[in-house]
Amino acid sequence: EPEVTQTPSHQVTQMGQEVILRCVPISNHLYFYWYRQILGQKVEFLVSFYNNEISEKSEIFDDQFSVERPDGSNFTLKIRSTKLEDSAMYFCASMVGKRQGLSEKLFFGSGTQLSVL
Amino acid sequence: LAKTTQPISMDSYEGQEVNITCSHNNIATNDYITWYQQFPSQGPRFIIQGYKTKVTNEVASLFIPADRKSSTLSLPRVSLSDTAVYYCLVGREAGKSTFGDGTTLTVKP
Repeated sequence: EPEVTQTPSHQVTQMGQEVILRCVPISNHLYFYWYRQILGQKVEFLVSFYNNEISEKSEIFDDQFSVERPDGSNFTLKIRSTKLEDSAMYFCASMVGKRQGLSEKLFFGSGTQLSVL
Repeated sequence: LAKTTQPISMDSYEGQEVNITCSHNNIATNDYITWYQQFPSQGPRFIIQGYKTKVTNEVASLFIPADRKSSTLSLPRVSLSDTAVYYCLVGREAGKSTFGDGTTLTVKP
């Protein structure tokens, strides 16, 4: 089965530093997402991306966050100035498309564990 | 995304069939029901999706009654490796929402 790959698997950073989390979605997929999961908590939606622009974002996705698809294969999440509370597992997901606007199967990566010290 | 209610946890033994029920009283006409599985430190994995009646694939079955206000994920003959959190999502745009609390299934030998 095709996979969504994420790098790095673990990232340790100092508070206030910028981090970039990288994802390679499945090649023929058109919809891309970032989620985060704080240890022991829910999988929280951050942002969705389609046709080279953000289609929806949650209240978590503030001005410190940005996403980019720089080269047609990678999909990145940047946190400009990390805070302690940004420590979480970050998941990238992709989806091939939508059938008449209905929910389709999401493929998730294995995540990047971000630790902010 | 419609609000869903699932049991917080369930225990089972190897070889048994496990049924996890999800309540979604305010499901909309065009909403699909999707189940995901998550192992510790991994991303969720799609299990099954349905709209009404019964859907079966190689890993699970999904039963949806006529009123669609609930659904039941059925895992036949579970093994230790089925120990995971199972999420029920209901909606047209499930990719744009936070997952619920899910059901932690523990399979014992």
